[in-house]
Amino acid sequence: DIQMTQSPASLSASLGETVSIECLASEGISNDLAWYQQKSGKSPQLLIYAASRLQDGVPSRFSGSGSGTRYSLKISGMQPEDEADYFCQQSYKYPYTFGAGTKLELK
Amino acid sequence: EVQLVETGGGLVQPGRSLKLSCVASGFTFNNYWMSWTRQAPGKGLEWVASITNSGGSTYYPDSVKGRFTISRDNAQNTLYLQMNSLRSEDTATYYCTIIIRGTFDYWGQGVMVTVSS
Repeated sequence: DIQMTQSPASLSASLGETVSIECLASEGISNDLAWYQQKSGKSPQLLIYAASRLQDGVPSRFSGSGSGTRYSLKISGMQPEDEADYFCQQSYKYPYTFGAGTKLELK
Repeated sequence: EVQLVETGGGLVQPGRSLKLSCVASGFTFNNYWMSWTRQAPGKGLEWVASITNSGGSTYYPDSVKGRFTISRDNAQNTLYLQMNSLRSEDTATYYCTIIIRGTFDYWGQGVMVTVSS
């Protein structure tokens, strides 16, 4: 199985700060990488697919990048509503696997 | 508007069975692959099963293969997950999802399954 190592496990950001979350795959996944946001008590929501494509309706302050085994999610200007858990997921090979998650809090 | 409504969760003893349902609306159900994904309390996400739009092929991780069966009724716009030989580690919120190019584009509100004696 492809292991997805996500970092950091948690972070705290000030309003307007730029935040980055990383995901490292145990083998190359050819940009088959998605990012999800899960707010407290809610279902996850797709933010980014194919490593860098923004899902419809997602604010443009969210962006994704990377290639091979290393991928990142950037939030350019932290907003209060961005406080949530974030997960990466690979769809390159079965079984689909997720990172352990990053808890993002507003400082 | 896409809606996915899961039902059928609850408390079940280890070794017993449970069947989840997910009624879909707001999109053409038989055009899309569907999946179940779960989240243990306070933990991360785990893909559980996927099914093609026709229902002709299914996919599972080793953790549930042979115990869980995903199926669908396209006439009723309904997705199912039959869970047999349940274990304590199957305790989780189960989400019905639409899967497009391998990503989980839409999620239901989730249904809780607790496996305990």
